[in-house]
Amino acid sequence: QKEVEQNSGPLSVPEGAIASLNCTYSDRGSQSFFWYRQYSGKSPELIMSIYSNGDKEDGRFTAQLNKASQYVSLLIRDSQPSDSATYLCAVRGNQGAQKLVFGQGTRLTINP
Amino acid sequence: DTGVSQNPRHKITKRGQNVTFRCDPISEHNRLYWYRQTLGQGPEFLTYFQNEAQLEKSRLLSDRFSAERPKGSFSTLEIQRTEQGDSAMYLCASSYPRAPYEQYFGPGTRLTVT
Repeated sequence: QKEVEQNSGPLSVPEGAIASLNCTYSDRGSQSFFWYRQYSGKSPELIMSIYSNGDKEDGRFTAQLNKASQYVSLLIRDSQPSDSATYLCAVRGNQGAQKLVFGQGTRLTINP
Repeated sequence: DTGVSQNPRHKITKRGQNVTFRCDPISEHNRLYWYRQTLGQGPEFLTYFQNEAQLEKSRLLSDRFSAERPKGSFSTLEIQRTEQGDSAMYLCASSYPRAPYEQYFGPGTRLTVT
C-alpha cells in the first residue's frame, strides 16, 4: 500500500463547476496535510495546508480533513481553465518527521 | 524576487560524470529540503537541513549523492558517477521557522543523463 494515494485522473470538470480531489494516507499518526498545484513543466506550488479535522477555506479552495478515515480532500469552486494542473497531496508523518510524502498527483482539466 | 532559486535550471551530462546543483532558499528560511521528481510521480524526499545541520537523509540517497549547507545559507547537491536512472527533476524547498512544515519549492533543476 502506498503511503499517500490519489486517483491519477485525468479528472475533467466543466468551467464554473466544483472540482473535487481526494487523497488517502496510510500513517494514522500523520500530523499535517498539504495540497500543491503543479502546472506542466513547473515546480509544485503550495495552495493549502490543514492540520486539524474539518474544513479550511481560502478563496475558491476548501480543504477537508478526516483523520479517523485517513482522508483529505480539496474542493475548487467556480473552476476556471487556469485551474487545469496536477494537484499533489502531501502528508507529514508523526511528530518529529520533517519530510513530506507526496501522492502521485491528480491531473485536473477544466473544460471551457 | 524573494522565492527559492536553483541553478542550473537544466543540466545534460554523460553517464559517469559528476554534477552539482545549487539552491538558495528564501531569506530567513532556516529549513531546506531536497526532493527528486520523475515524470508522472510526486516528489520524493532526499534530505533535510535545519540551518547547517543535515538532520535527515532518505534511504533512496545512495553513497553517490551528497548534500551540504555551509553556514546555513545556500545548499549544494552533488551526484557522483551519474547513471541514467538519476535523470529527474531535482527540487529544493525551504520553510520558515514560524511555519516549519509549509515548504516552498524552487523552480527545480532538470537533469538528463545520456
